[in-house]
Amino acid sequence: GAVVSQHPSRVICKSGTSVKIECRSLDFQATTMFWYRQFPKQSLMLMATSNEGSKATYEQGVEKDKFLINHASLTLSTLTVTSAHPEDSSFYICSAISRLGNEKLFFGSGTQLSVL
Amino acid sequence: AQSVTQLGSHVSVSEGALVLLRCNYSSSVPPYLFWYVQYPNQGLQLLLKYTTGATLVKGINGFEAEFKKSETSFHLTKPSAHMSDAAEYFCAVSDARGSTLGRLYFGRGTQLTVWP
Repeated sequence: GAVVSQHPSRVICKSGTSVKIECRSLDFQATTMFWYRQFPKQSLMLMATSNEGSKATYEQGVEKDKFLINHASLTLSTLTVTSAHPEDSSFYICSAISRLGNEKLFFGSGTQLSVL
Repeated sequence: AQSVTQLGSHVSVSEGALVLLRCNYSSSVPPYLFWYVQYPNQGLQLLLKYTTGATLVKGINGFEAEFKKSETSFHLTKPSAHMSDAAEYFCAVSDARGSTLGRLYFGRGTQLTVWP
């Protein structure tokens, strides 16, 4: 079946550094990818919607200059957390919609970001 | 606006007992409804979904859910719990079709514990 690969699965970084998270659709083309954030013991919150070749649409309250999203191809979207701070520590998950005609949605395995 | 309420952040059952995880939604348009499961250190996996048609939906691992419009509910059930069912379960709603089908609004999740 269709697979979404998210990398890295876990990253620890120092405060002030930037971290890039990749989301790849391995065997299908994804017209749209979504980025979610999950705080401990809380639900997933949609951060932004990413369409190939266009600017991402951010949800209210999400800083677009801090969470840079690039969707350069139909199989890859990246989320860059710029100048990360401890409060950015969270579990980030991407999802992708297959454009095979059935519009199935697939999730990546997530990235646990810890900012020291 | 769409929202999801999952009653009970923690549910504990004995192995072999009935599993009932409650989900109520709010949507201004006919919804698409989903249940996802998240095992420790893993991404989200789709259990089942309701889009149109039959209101009783069967999913993987013996789970099923019934869409009740009058009650705005989509409770998840399994007749007999297994130890491997222990995980976090998320109910989600989407009011969109087409290219924005993947935009989901999640409940806070319910942690299911299964006792031997």
